[in-house]
Amino acid sequence: AQTVTQSQPEMSVQEAETVTLSCTYDTSESDYYLFWYKQPPSRQMILVIRQEAYKQQNATENRFSVNFQKAAKSFSLKISDSQLGDAAMYFCAYRITGNQFYFGTGTSLTVIP
Amino acid sequence: KAGVTQTPRYLIKTRGQQVTLSCSPISGHRSVSWYQQTPGQGLQFLFEYFSETQRNKGNFPGRFSGRQFSNSRSEMNVSTLELGDSALYLCASSLGGGATYEQYFGPGTRLTVT
Repeated sequence: AQTVTQSQPEMSVQEAETVTLSCTYDTSESDYYLFWYKQPPSRQMILVIRQEAYKQQNATENRFSVNFQKAAKSFSLKISDSQLGDAAMYFCAYRITGNQFYFGTGTSLTVIP
Repeated sequence: KAGVTQTPRYLIKTRGQQVTLSCSPISGHRSVSWYQQTPGQGLQFLFEYFSETQRNKGNFPGRFSGRQFSNSRSEMNVSTLELGDSALYLCASSLGGGATYEQYFGPGTRLTVT
């Protein structure tokens, strides 16, 4: 069964510092996609970054980057130069084409000024 | 382009009643997915529709049902409401049904069952 685990319910980071959010997943598939979504308080969920499992290179989107370890089934999100607007709930998600999304339980990130 | 809209935004119902939630996807999007979000459980997938056909279904009881219309608008229905159905129900739309397509989420409908 596909499962996504986020072991850090809450994290905090000082403004301008770097924080890493952890995510592990369980799958027997070899071709799949991994995502990080951000849900700010009382606002809509948006896609932060996406990684295709067949790509060895880690995805990067401005201050957001991932550390994708396929063998370890690990997909962590690094946020550099944290900003107040980064405060949100972050969800890790997994999907194979033609199948449903599986989401983790989320990590609540607080940014301390 | 208008984003994903969901109506109503808030709803209070009594146990045993039924409820219908509506989702209007972004124009041109043919895939609509529904999720239940509760604290501690994260997002649980309910179902996905593509061109009026249910493509995937999550592990929810038959009290949860949905449909998609020819204009891609979607509704989900929950019958015989239980207290545990209290949650934020999110709808997401995408151009296609494959994993390469980005999902755009709506603001959600907050359902409270008393």
